[in-house]
Amino acid sequence: DTAVSQTPKYLVTQMGNDKSIKCEQNLGHDTMYWYKQDSKKFLKIMFSYNNKELIINETVPNRFSPKSPDKAHLNLHINSLELGDSAVYFCASSLGLAGAEETQYFGPGTRLLVL
Amino acid sequence: AQTVTQSQPEMSVQEAETVTLSCTYDTSENNYYLFWYKQPPSRQMILVIRQEAYKQQNATENRFSVNFQKAAKSFSLKISDSQLGDTAMYFCAFILTSAFGNEKLTFGTGTRLTIIP
Repeated sequence: DTAVSQTPKYLVTQMGNDKSIKCEQNLGHDTMYWYKQDSKKFLKIMFSYNNKELIINETVPNRFSPKSPDKAHLNLHINSLELGDSAVYFCASSLGLAGAEETQYFGPGTRLLVL
Repeated sequence: AQTVTQSQPEMSVQEAETVTLSCTYDTSENNYYLFWYKQPPSRQMILVIRQEAYKQQNATENRFSVNFQKAAKSFSLKISDSQLGDTAMYFCAFILTSAFGNEKLTFGTGTRLTIIP
C-alpha cells in the first residue's frame, strides 16, 4: 500500500564507503525527487527526474549520482562518503512536472550516518 | 530566488486549543503554490494543506485552515481543536508555477509544535 517507499530506513557506514538508497513509488507519478534534510531540519532539493530524464540538478557534489531505471524508481548512489553527508534523505514524487499543478508526496526518509 | 520564512522555531499549546503558525515568503512572481507539511517524530513528511495563489478562498482541511494574504505574502496555518497527534515539525513550502518542470519546492526552517495534554 505504501505510496513512496525507500530502503533502507537507516544506514550507518564508514567514511570513504560507497552506498545506495533506493526509492520506489506506486502512484503512477512521472516525476521523482531527492531531498536532503540536515541536522537543523532544513530541507533542500538535490535532484528531480521526469520520466527517467534529469530535470533538476542542484549544486550537489558529483559523488552523488541519481539513477532512474524507470519512472517508478529513483535511486541515489553516493561515492566516497564524508562526515558531512550524514543527514536524512527523502525521496518524493509528483504526478506531473514540478511547478505544474502537482503536489509532491514524500517517502519515509533514510537516515544516513557516516562515522 | 524565492525565500520562505517561519519566524517561530517552537510553539506549544494545550490540547483542544487553537494555534496559528506563521509563514511569510518572498517572490516577485504572481503564480505559485503554497503548502504546509507536517513531520511528526516518525520523520514522515505529510502534506497538511495546499493553496493555489490564484484562488482567493482560503484552503481548509478539517481542523486545518490557512489565512492566505497574497499582498502581504503571508500564509499562516491555523489548527483548531488541537490534538496530541498534531505534535510535529511543521514546514511551510513554496513553488512557482511553471510549464517547464524545473521549479524547486522551497521550504521554510520549520516550527516545532508541541501539544500539551
